[in-house]
Amino acid sequence: RKEVEQDPGPFNVPEGATVAFNCTYSNSASQSFFWYRQDCRKEPKLLMSVYSSGNEDGRFTAQLNRASQYISLLIRDSKLSDSATYLCVVLGAGNMLTFGGGTRLMVKP
Amino acid sequence: DVKVTQSSRYLVKRTGEKVFLECVQDMDHENMFWYRQDPGLGLRLIYFSYDVKMKEKGDIPEGYSVSREKKERFSLILESASTNQTSMYLCASSFPGQGSSSYNEQFFGPGTRLTVL
Repeated sequence: RKEVEQDPGPFNVPEGATVAFNCTYSNSASQSFFWYRQDCRKEPKLLMSVYSSGNEDGRFTAQLNRASQYISLLIRDSKLSDSATYLCVVLGAGNMLTFGGGTRLMVKP
Repeated sequence: DVKVTQSSRYLVKRTGEKVFLECVQDMDHENMFWYRQDPGLGLRLIYFSYDVKMKEKGDIPEGYSVSREKKERFSLILESASTNQTSMYLCASSFPGQGSSSYNEQFFGPGTRLTVL
């Protein structure tokens, strides 16, 4: 079983739609959680951290469910510019990051 | 802005060649990392370094070595390239965390797409 698992997609949605991605992690001792965004042929960049109480940044909402060991990312009112691959990232022992394989989102006009 | 640069965007080498991938960061970060990214497998950590002349193995160090002679520069070396090392290689840097659950954002370079024939 992979340490961090994501549905690879692609998720094809129209502009304005709401879309949600889930990610599961296997190590219950994982400390911190993040979503990174990676545009086509570009490097990953931090999108947002995921806090236990859930957090929101504009159209983006991240939530953590420690009991079920999953993390979610909700994007409201999707824009064409949201098209990218979203990487679920977990911080484990020794401050090392473990990356999921990514979920590809394509927002269509 | 943090800037992490990598010496090449695209590289083509032959099996058995020695390959050097260079990474330079300009933000005085202590931590530097080398990952490879393959479809469906995500980013996998090859080696990392917390300080000059210091290196630690990541999840997949076999076939690779690294060098950190200066704080801003972290080199990945493929001693004898093989076709299964064809991949996208990403370098990253960050400030150190403070404590076991702390974290500082990793900043990535643009990547080097290496093809080994």
